[in-house]
Amino acid sequence: SQELEQSPQSLIVQEGKNLTINCTSSKTLYGLYWYKQKYGEGLIFLMMLQKGGEEKSHEKITAKLDEKKQQSSLHITASQPSHAGIYLCGADYGFGNEKLTFGTGTRLTIIP
Amino acid sequence: DTEVTQTPKHLVMGMTNKKSLKCEQHMGHRAMYWYKQKAKKPPELMFVYSYEKLSINESVPSRFSPECPNSSLLNLHLHALQPEDSALYLCASSHPRQGSSEQYFGPGTRLTVT
Repeated sequence: SQELEQSPQSLIVQEGKNLTINCTSSKTLYGLYWYKQKYGEGLIFLMMLQKGGEEKSHEKITAKLDEKKQQSSLHITASQPSHAGIYLCGADYGFGNEKLTFGTGTRLTIIP
Repeated sequence: DTEVTQTPKHLVMGMTNKKSLKCEQHMGHRAMYWYKQKAKKPPELMFVYSYEKLSINESVPSRFSPECPNSSLLNLHLHALQPEDSALYLCASSHPRQGSSEQYFGPGTRLTVT
């Protein structure tokens, strides 16, 4: 089984609605990174979490890391078409930032 | 400048060809990475260079040969590839060993092996 699982695999949301994407690790995380990818393009860094219970926000996106440091969630408030894309979580398991293991990805579609 | 550039954007090559992918960054990052991404799959780490030295090789076949000529450049030399090597190849860079810091990704090279 995958070390890092994301759910859901895909999500279709009406514009203006809120949504949440989850990332669950089978091992304790040293760090957790959230990225966004447009199809066939590079990854864009969103946020990085390190401490248990940490929460960060940027514009309408909020990411949290649970106290046990094995689960993270990404929450988008009042979704917009620009939020569409593939969201990937990346886990640092203690090799420093030199080795990231990526989750399976969540494909987000925003419908008008 | 927070950009990682990659050339070419697209590449089609035959199984007997030799080609190279190039990656460049001017952010002063001393760690650079090659990832391979198949369709609808997450990126898979291939190589990591730290301070111009190869620090991680994820058991990649020898038909892929990385090179880091200086702190700003990273190449991936390709020779005798197979059709299953067709994928999006992503380059990234970061500050190494400063706690955890984000990797900045380039736009990728779409490789097709015929």
